Amino acid sequence: DAKTTQPNSMESNEEEPVHLPCNHSTISGTDYIHWYRQLPSQGPEYVIHGLTSNVNNRMASLAIAEDRKSSTLILHRATLRDAAVYYCILREPDWTGGYNKLIFGAGTRLAVHP
Amino acid sequence: ETGVTQTPRHLVMGMTNKKSLKCEQHLGHNAMYWYKQSAKKPLELMFVYSLEERVENNSVPSRFSPECPNSSHLFLHLHTLQPEDSALYLCASSQEVTSSYEQYFGPGTRLTVT
Repeated sequence: DAKTTQPNSMESNEEEPVHLPCNHSTISGTDYIHWYRQLPSQGPEYVIHGLTSNVNNRMASLAIAEDRKSSTLILHRATLRDAAVYYCILREPDWTGGYNKLIFGAGTRLAVHP
Repeated sequence: ETGVTQTPRHLVMGMTNKKSLKCEQHLGHNAMYWYKQSAKKPLELMFVYSLEERVENNSVPSRFSPECPNSSHLFLHLHTLQPEDSALYLCASSQEVTSSYEQYFGPGTRLTVT
């Protein structure tokens, strides 16, 4: 899997939007961009994923650069419960024959202040 | 979230003990995984099972022995562990092993080897 680069930590205030960046300059044309997060004392949980177009779901939005070398996870209104480590992961499509591997990096630790 | 459960949540064992970690998924998934999360290190994939068949053994020492009796249950048998094996052990499942479906994680077992 291609590597991703994320800031070690970020801070936000409650009720404000948060933009979590991820660089993946060596992404291949078919790699999906996945985001997971890990809340304190819990296992990781899936947040969102995309390929080329921006994506929205109930948890967050994913903005993907036109050249796909970077992406941004957007939390529209941060809550205290959003304090977690956020992981940006690249995954190959099924037809490459790879297993459903998730290769986690260090992620970004997000602190949310009241 | 009760889709993937793990027991026990905490375990302290001596280096000569034998213990087992249990994982159960109630999601009807066909693939299950064991991960290890050590302090200050990213999650590491240990084992992958698809329909009770092991499809990946990620260079894990033989003192860790997985077992998957059916697609809903996964065990990790531990024997003669070392203090450096102390970590959070996470179980996950996904719809299929080769699809791009997200993985669902359990809360983990916090293992301390004394």
